[in-house]
Amino acid sequence: GAVVSQHPSRVICKSGTSVKIECRSLDFQATTMFWYRQFPKQSLMLMATSNEGSKATYEQGVEKDKFLINHASLTLSTLTVTSAHPEDSSFYICSARGFGRGSYEQYFGPGTRLTVT
Amino acid sequence: KQEVTQIPAALSVPEGENLVLNCSFTDSAIYNLQWFRQDPGKGLTSLLLIQSSQREQTSGRLNASLDKSSGRSTLYIAASQPGDSATYLCAVQLFDGGSNYKLTFGKGTLLTVNP
Repeated sequence: GAVVSQHPSRVICKSGTSVKIECRSLDFQATTMFWYRQFPKQSLMLMATSNEGSKATYEQGVEKDKFLINHASLTLSTLTVTSAHPEDSSFYICSARGFGRGSYEQYFGPGTRLTVT
Repeated sequence: KQEVTQIPAALSVPEGENLVLNCSFTDSAIYNLQWFRQDPGKGLTSLLLIQSSQREQTSGRLNASLDKSSGRSTLYIAASQPGDSATYLCAVQLFDGGSNYKLTFGKGTLLTVNP
């Protein structure tokens, strides 16, 4: 099946700093990428959707200036959490969808655990 | 707004038992429905995808059914094993009216299979 990777798998940062998380589609071209956040014992909540070469579309309640998303190529999207605070600590999961992989099936990365101290 | 509900929230069974996980959704205009498995601290593994025109899909010991008109899906696991212990998530995909299809997830069922 299609493979999506994320880096880093875990990151600890101090309050006020910025953190960048990378999401890559390894064996297909991802025309659309999605970023989700998951709090303990909760389900995945969609944060934003990005189409390659376009600005991301953010879900209601998600601050676009705080969670910067870049999808500059068909295999890479990045999520930057700016001026992170402890309440941003969460599990961030990316997902990708692309050509020739079952047109609307999404493939998920392994997730990134962010801890803000 | 689409809402996805999974029942039960947690389930503990002895090894070898057959079991059923339930998923319901409020908006029947779905494009497809997927069942995922999530191990603690890990990402999602897709188990089965059912297109809206289909009624069921099977993979090994797993069988998922879809009744789109009533907004229900079930995941049947036969002869459960301790390795099946995980959280099982149901998600439905809808067109958002703009340019994308989006997944809405339930909160999951935490399954524990005891040896």
